Amino acid sequence: EDQVTQSPEALRLQEGESSSLNCSYTVSGLRGLFWYRQDPGKGPEFLFTLYSAGEEKEKERLKATLTKKESFLHITAPKPEDSATYLCAVRPQNKLIFGTGTLLAVQP
Amino acid sequence: GAGVSQSPSNKVTEKGKDVELRCDPISGHTALYWYRQSLGQGLEFLIYFQGNSAPDKSGLPSDRFSAERTGGSVSTLTIQRTQQEDSAVYLCASSLVGFTPSIEQYFGPGTRLTVT
Repeated sequence: EDQVTQSPEALRLQEGESSSLNCSYTVSGLRGLFWYRQDPGKGPEFLFTLYSAGEEKEKERLKATLTKKESFLHITAPKPEDSATYLCAVRPQNKLIFGTGTLLAVQP
Repeated sequence: GAGVSQSPSNKVTEKGKDVELRCDPISGHTALYWYRQSLGQGLEFLIYFQGNSAPDKSGLPSDRFSAERTGGSVSTLTIQRTQQEDSAVYLCASSLVGFTPSIEQYFGPGTRLTVT
């Protein structure tokens, strides 16, 4: 069964304190791993797509990496505006299978 | 350009009533998806439309749920005889092409449905 597990469920950081979010997955045939950011009351906002093991992508303070079993979202020197829920999803076929997300709070 | 839009943003209905939720995808996007996000749970796939192909309805939780897409653009998700467990945020997404492996999906703001 295709499955995505994210950890931790919640993470509280001080501004400037770097950390990583984990996304573990089992999928019959990976056709993309996606990271989204979701702010309260809004729809998910696309961040990255990773397709093959070893691939890395960066955007501002965020860097996503992918192995055959998991993906990491590294946050370097976070700011309060990075506070959000970060969602990971895999795409075995047409639909996305999402994890339950990591709620990140960055305190000034 | 405009993103995915959904209406209404909030809907409160009584148990047993029917509701219709609307989605306007990004212009030119041929693929359209509906997801449901319940409190404390991840987004759950409901249905997928791609061009003129038959929709993938594999995620619809019961026959009370149906969706249509008219003219390859606007989509309506209908829930008949609503139940309290239907309370959730219903999210619509669209993408340029459905079958390209790494194509990203762009989400609307969602409709928060509350069944009392």
